[in-house]
Amino acid sequence: GESVGLHLPTLSVQEGDNSIINCAYSNSASDYFIWYKQESGKGPQFIIDIRSNMDKRQGQRVTVLLNKTVKHLSLQIAATQPGDSAVYFCAETRNQGGKLIFGQGTELSVKP
Amino acid sequence: SAVISQKPSRDICQRGTSLTIQCQVDSQVTMMFWYRQQPGQSLTLIATANQGSEATYESGFVIDKFPISRPNLTFSTLTVSNMSPEDSSIYLCSVEDPFDTLNTEAFFGQGTRLTVV
Repeated sequence: GESVGLHLPTLSVQEGDNSIINCAYSNSASDYFIWYKQESGKGPQFIIDIRSNMDKRQGQRVTVLLNKTVKHLSLQIAATQPGDSAVYFCAETRNQGGKLIFGQGTELSVKP
Repeated sequence: SAVISQKPSRDICQRGTSLTIQCQVDSQVTMMFWYRQQPGQSLTLIATANQGSEATYESGFVIDKFPISRPNLTFSTLTVSNMSPEDSSIYLCSVEDPFDTLNTEAFFGQGTRLTVV
């Protein structure tokens, strides 16, 4: 049988398409949110962040959207590339420095 | 940004033994954090380590099992004591950005992949 927690949600996209990765966060008092990318054998790498006083922030090829009403965060990756293949985690914090609460993660697979 | 080095990068250990993981940062930081990432899962905070004080442990983690040292502002160790196969995980050190006091972005080391047999 399937073991709980051992299977990350997966998203498979074609190279060049846009990707949207979603995250539901847990604490309505959280005021700072980060998206991390984790490649196999490496630690999480910062992608983009957003504060709770914003609802959208754009970076290079990435956009983060924050909906505080429903406690939802999304990461949009434009023109997805094979190098974007990784596990993506959202993380939240409430003015507590680097003490982060991580979401479960989504595995992004990009097909060439 | 901060550069974080962890040692060892991976190890295979016998059950009942202990392993000490080192974390070195290239800048002085107030807080350092230790996370555990079990296979195929997300990261869970073990404890926060401040220089000059006892580490603060999260629910489900205790000092006897995961003693932490923080002798100065650039270094910390995490020991995994009396290991069992259930301790097989990736252990990650992180720090907040030492140059940006407005944001609380955390930087991570590459992790220590521990396998207990």
